[in-house]
Amino acid sequence: NAGVTQTPKFQVLKTGQSMTLQCAQDMNHNSMYWYRQDPGMGLRLIYYSASEGTTDKGEVPNGYNVSRLNKREFSLRLESAAPSQTSVYFCASTKQGAYTDTQYFGPGTRLTVL
Amino acid sequence: AQSVAQPEDQVNVAEGNPLTVKCTYSVSGNPYLFWYVQYPNRGLQFLLKYITGDNLVKGSYGFEAEFNKSQTSFHLKKPSALVSDSALYFCAVRDQTGANNLFFGTGTRLTVIP
Repeated sequence: NAGVTQTPKFQVLKTGQSMTLQCAQDMNHNSMYWYRQDPGMGLRLIYYSASEGTTDKGEVPNGYNVSRLNKREFSLRLESAAPSQTSVYFCASTKQGAYTDTQYFGPGTRLTVL
Repeated sequence: AQSVAQPEDQVNVAEGNPLTVKCTYSVSGNPYLFWYVQYPNRGLQFLLKYITGDNLVKGSYGFEAEFNKSQTSFHLKKPSALVSDSALYFCAVRDQTGANNLFFGTGTRLTVIP
C-alpha cells in the first residue's frame, strides 16, 4: 500500500493563477482532510470530507474549494492564488472518522505564491 | 472547544539521556490525544494515541506518553534519546464537535545532541 499520496510535491504560482492539489489514498478510508501548515501555527483544517459525496468547511476555508471525486481521491483547488496561501499542504485520511481513528498523512505539497 | 498547547518551541537533549516533550490539553468531553512526528521535508507520522485505559501509552520507535487527567497533560517521553529522534513533534486532540479532525499544537522541535 502506498498510503496517502499527494501531487505535486512542489509548486510555484504567481498571484492570481489557479491550481489543483491532488490527493489519493489506497486504504479504503471513508474520511479525508486537507490541512495547511504554517510556521509556528501547527496544522489547520481547510476542508474535510466525512464520506464520499460530502464535503464541509474547516477552520480556514476561504480561497479554497474541494472535490471528493470518489472514495479514493480528494482534491483541493485554489481558484486565484494569493501570497497568503504560501504554505505546506497536507492531505490526511481516516478509516471512519470516529474519535478513536488514527489519521494518516501524505508527504505534503510545498506551495509558494509570488 | 478543543485545544492543545506545547509550551516549548525547542527542546535539546544529549544522546542517551531521557527526553520529554510537553503537551497540555483542553477538551469539553473525553480526551482523545495523539502524538505525531515530522522529519524534515516529510509528512506527519503517527507515534501513539490515548483513547482510554492505561495512562501510559506505548508507541512507535520506543516512545511513550503519559496521560494525566488531573494536570490535563499528555507528555511524550523516551528513556534514551537517539540522534535520529531529532524532528518536529506535534501533539493533537480530536475535534468532537463534527469534523472529527485533529487540533494540533504549534509543535516542538527536538534536537538530540551527539
